[in-house]
Amino acid sequence: GAVVSQHPSWVICKSGTSVKIECRSLDFQATTMFWYRQFPKQSLMLMATSNEGSKATYEQGVEKDKFLINHASLTLSTLTVTSAHPEDSSFYICSATKWGAQGRYRDTEAFFGQGTRLTVV
Amino acid sequence: QKEVEQNSGPLSVPEGAIASLNCTYSDRGSQSFFWYRQYSGKSPELIMSIYSNGDKEDGRFTAQLNKASQYVSLLIRDSQPSDSATYLCAVSPNAGKSTFGDGTTLTVKP
Repeated sequence: GAVVSQHPSWVICKSGTSVKIECRSLDFQATTMFWYRQFPKQSLMLMATSNEGSKATYEQGVEKDKFLINHASLTLSTLTVTSAHPEDSSFYICSATKWGAQGRYRDTEAFFGQGTRLTVV
Repeated sequence: QKEVEQNSGPLSVPEGAIASLNCTYSDRGSQSFFWYRQYSGKSPELIMSIYSNGDKEDGRFTAQLNKASQYVSLLIRDSQPSDSATYLCAVSPNAGKSTFGDGTTLTVKP
């Protein structure tokens, strides 16, 4: 397998402040990382695709100015929730892809970080 | 219609029984199919991946894929209480970007 580390695992912040979440691939290079959000008892919703060295691609309905994504290196992507509000409280999860041993995209699996529980008060 | 649909659950089976989880998807171009297990408050954990029609077995888990029917399933044999979790079906048309179903919550009763 592969290890993806996400930090912090939980954070409580005041409304109006910004929070940065880090996602690191520890033992492999990840050219692409994905950011998901999961509300209680709901499934994972893809927010954006983060590509190393280029701008992130956001899913429809996700505010790119509010959820800033930076993928500065092959092992690190960050998500910054700007001017957070209580409705942004959620479980944020990143994943990174690792190419299969035979180099075919179809073998690519996504490895998830531990998730970050964000509570905005 | 949702892109990935799972049987709504919750599903309850006795310990030692077979648990059957089902998933259908709408995108015929999908290439990769995954089953994840998610415990409450935790991140998803990959259990099985399948790419070709047929069955794929790994220990107590068997994934079945039928692309013609756009159907993928997961069978858990000899279910254990530790298998109690939410199981997410994920479908991917390309590398890494997956669409998830809403999940099926499984409870295995001792």
